[in-house]
Amino acid sequence: AAGVIQSPRHLIKEKRETATLKCYPIPRHDTVYWYQQGPGQDPQFLISFYEKMQSDKGSIPDRFSAQQFSDYHSELNMSSLELGDSALYFCASSLGQGGNTIYFGEGSWLTVV
Amino acid sequence: LAKTTQPISMDSYEGQEVNITCSHNNIATNDYITWYQQFPSQGPRFIIQGYKTKVTNEVASLFIPADRKSSTLSLPRVSLSDTAVYYCLLDVDSSYKLIFGSGTRLLVRP
Repeated sequence: AAGVIQSPRHLIKEKRETATLKCYPIPRHDTVYWYQQGPGQDPQFLISFYEKMQSDKGSIPDRFSAQQFSDYHSELNMSSLELGDSALYFCASSLGQGGNTIYFGEGSWLTVV
Repeated sequence: LAKTTQPISMDSYEGQEVNITCSHNNIATNDYITWYQQFPSQGPRFIIQGYKTKVTNEVASLFIPADRKSSTLSLPRVSLSDTAVYYCLLDVDSSYKLIFGSGTRLLVRP
């Protein structure tokens, strides 16, 4: 079965640069979520979208922005990167809102040097 | 948002049954209880979800008492490959997010 696809899987950027992560949800899923997981930490919710509209917001820095496109894929844009942004970024998708199973991708590793 | 509390770590041996209990005293009426498994550097993997009583699938069982203030994930006959972090989460049916707390680090020994 098709899963959540994230790209790139690994990314190395320098401080103050910009990075863009992409997420392709499971076919027919209309809800996308973004999470950040630092080394040794638990996943932290960043933001979610339902039907191309932002639906919930967590601890997403102002330097980050995201959107969901008409084909339901989503992109997380991160600017003015800091060393502390180095983390594993997960995208997840579901059909509709809570109560329906949320499936996670394998993540994108961002290293800021 | 209601919070969940789990043991920080558990040890077990291959072939044993493992029960991980999660406390959620302030669970709301429309909260579902969902468990995920996570291996290092991989995305969380859905294990099981329930609302009340007992739910069973091919990998685990979930026991939820009538008051729903706790739940227990039961893993039958664990193997070394079950060594992972297990997260108990409350999934609100009107919400568009899952909030992860501190999971339970399960170590399965030979």
